[in-house]
Amino acid sequence: GQNIDQPTEMTATEGAIVQINCTYQTSGFNGLFWYQQHAGEAPTFLSYNVLDGLEEKGRFSSFLSRSKGYSYLLLKELQMKDSASYLCAVNDYKLSFGAGTTVTVRA
Amino acid sequence: GAVVSQHPSWVICKSGTSVKIECRSLDFQATTMFWYRQFPKQSLMLMATSNEGSKATYEQGVEKDKFLINHASLTLSTLTVTSAHPEDSSFYICSAIDRGRSQPQHFGDGTRLSIL
Repeated sequence: GQNIDQPTEMTATEGAIVQINCTYQTSGFNGLFWYQQHAGEAPTFLSYNVLDGLEEKGRFSSFLSRSKGYSYLLLKELQMKDSASYLCAVNDYKLSFGAGTTVTVRA
Repeated sequence: GAVVSQHPSWVICKSGTSVKIECRSLDFQATTMFWYRQFPKQSLMLMATSNEGSKATYEQGVEKDKFLINHASLTLSTLTVTSAHPEDSSFYICSAIDRGRSQPQHFGDGTRLSIL
């Protein structure tokens, strides 16, 4: 089976940095995705890691360590609009999602 | 690019009604589309994988006779919830992969289904 763990909630202030961790134990691995989901909306793609290391995309960065079954999503210079749920998903010919981390950004 | 359109966005209907949800890839061709269901404050759960020109592959515990999937073309997949009941009320989301690429999945805007 698939086991994907991420924290339930995180709170940070505007302009700060937040790191969302994701650990996984899956029967197969063909990449790890991070998606952002605002309440009542569908997920939007943020990043994709298939090799170890850091991928940077503007204010968002994602890191992967396959040997440790670990990834994190780093959000820098937080803005109010970043308040959302962040989903970690592992691709094993199909996507398996974690329960999501709700990030609340406060002024 | 990579836009997926899902229709309708909101459905409210009586118990026993069948509801059809459409998922279209607007600017790419998708040999594979996926259907997910999400209950409040829970994660996305894959229901089935829809393959163009062939039968869908259903996840364990998903009734294929209740959730009918048709993937008739490279840009359209439909999910029909037959004889819907209140417990079928949920947020249904489709996604598609560009046939020219292997990743990522692009999601439609979702359909909120409420069965009275």
